[in-house]
Parts: sequence; C-alpha cells; structure tokens
Amino acid sequence: EVQLSESGGGLLQPGGSLRLSCAASGFTFSSYAMSWVRQAPGKGLEWVSAIAGRGGPTFYADSVKGRFTISRDNSKNTLFLQMNSLRAEDTAIYYCAKDLGVTIVEVTGLFGDWGQGTLVTVSS
Amino acid sequence: VLTQSPGTLSLSPGERATLSCRASQSIRNSYLGWYQQKPGQAPRLLIYRASNRATGIPDRFSGSGSGTDFTLTITRLEPEDFAVYFCQQYGNSALTFGGGTKVEIK
Repeated sequence: EVQLSESGGGLLQPGGSLRLSCAASGFTFSSYAMSWVRQAPGKGLEWVSAIAGRGGPTFYADSVKGRFTISRDNSKNTLFLQMNSLRAEDTAIYYCAKDLGVTIVEVTGLFGDWGQGTLVTVSS
Repeated sequence: VLTQSPGTLSLSPGERATLSCRASQSIRNSYLGWYQQKPGQAPRLLIYRASNRATGIPDRFSGSGSGTDFTLTITRLEPEDFAVYFCQQYGNSALTFGGGTKVEIK
C-alpha cells in the first residue's frame, strides 16, 4: 500500500524559511515523479513543484519560482520542499503527490496518490 | 486556465450530475484528470486522460471530452459522492487545476 506522510509544517513570519518532508513507502520511490500541491484554506488546489524519479528535471509554478526548491533523497524514500522568502499567500496545506505511472526521467503530473498534507501558516 | 461550472450543484441522491471543465486552450492528448475531495481529506483521482477511470472507481463515474471542453458525469449520485470535484490538465509542465465544483445535497 502506498503511503505518503508529510511533515515540517508550522507557523512562521513573512520572510522566513521552512523545509517540508514527505516520507514515502509501499512503492519503488525512485521510479516515480513526485509533486507538491497546496491548498489555501477554503480554496482550490494549486500545483507547486515537481521532480522526476531520478532527481531531475524539476519544475516550478511561477508563484514560487526562485523561492522554493524541490529535492528528493531516493536512498531514504523522502521528498523535500525548501521554502524561502515566505509570504502570507503561501499559507496553505501542502500535499505531496505521486505520479500515477512510472516516471523516472520525466514528470507526468497526474497524481495517483496523495499524502494527508501539512499546514503552513505565514503570518506576522 | 481551467474554468469549472457550475460552482455549486445542488442535487438529490439518485440524480445525475454533470460537471463541466473548459480550458482556455486545447489540452494536448486530452491530458485531463478529475479528482474528488471530501472535507478534511486529500483529493482522490477519479478519471485520467479525459475518460479513463482510475483503479477502484465505480462505473457511475465517467468522463468525456477533448480539446477544450470536458465533462464529468455521475449517473446516479450516492450519498458518498457529495464532495468537491476538481479538473486538472497535465498536458504541459505548468500543471493547473480548475476552481472546483461542489456537489451538495439538495
């Protein structure tokens, strides 16, 4: 059974930094692209970033480009999102999501499995 | 940009639900998915490539469309189907979601 478990969320001030983690199990982690998708309270879904199974290529939404960095440690089955220069509008639940099909050197961006999310609140 | 309509659909159990997703430009290879999200839960994939049901999804859910116009149909609403539904395009690297349609009990 695929399991994705996010951690690292919290409350922080504008301009701060945070690193989210997503621990994966139940599948061959390095064979699948992974993404971060966020959802502001009471709002819709917004894709944030994606990374292919082998660690590259990577992709970012314009809203986070230059501030967020996605990475993965395939030896530890863990996905990361380093978030810098945080803004109030980054407040959201952050989900990690696994591509539906095998995507070692590419990203499909079709999400077959999701974690339960971790809440990031940016407020002064 | 993906535009979903209506924003809210008020129906009774057993009725048919028809949800629309319109894209501002043609979606390559019909790379359009539909997700269901219930309160407090993560989204769940229902449909991929416009018309293919994901594993374990009941056949009362069906998807259709191509180009810029797509539809999710739920033939007979069950109590557990009342939720928010999102469409998503994955035809290019700038992945985008629609704003969602809430299917509520009338």
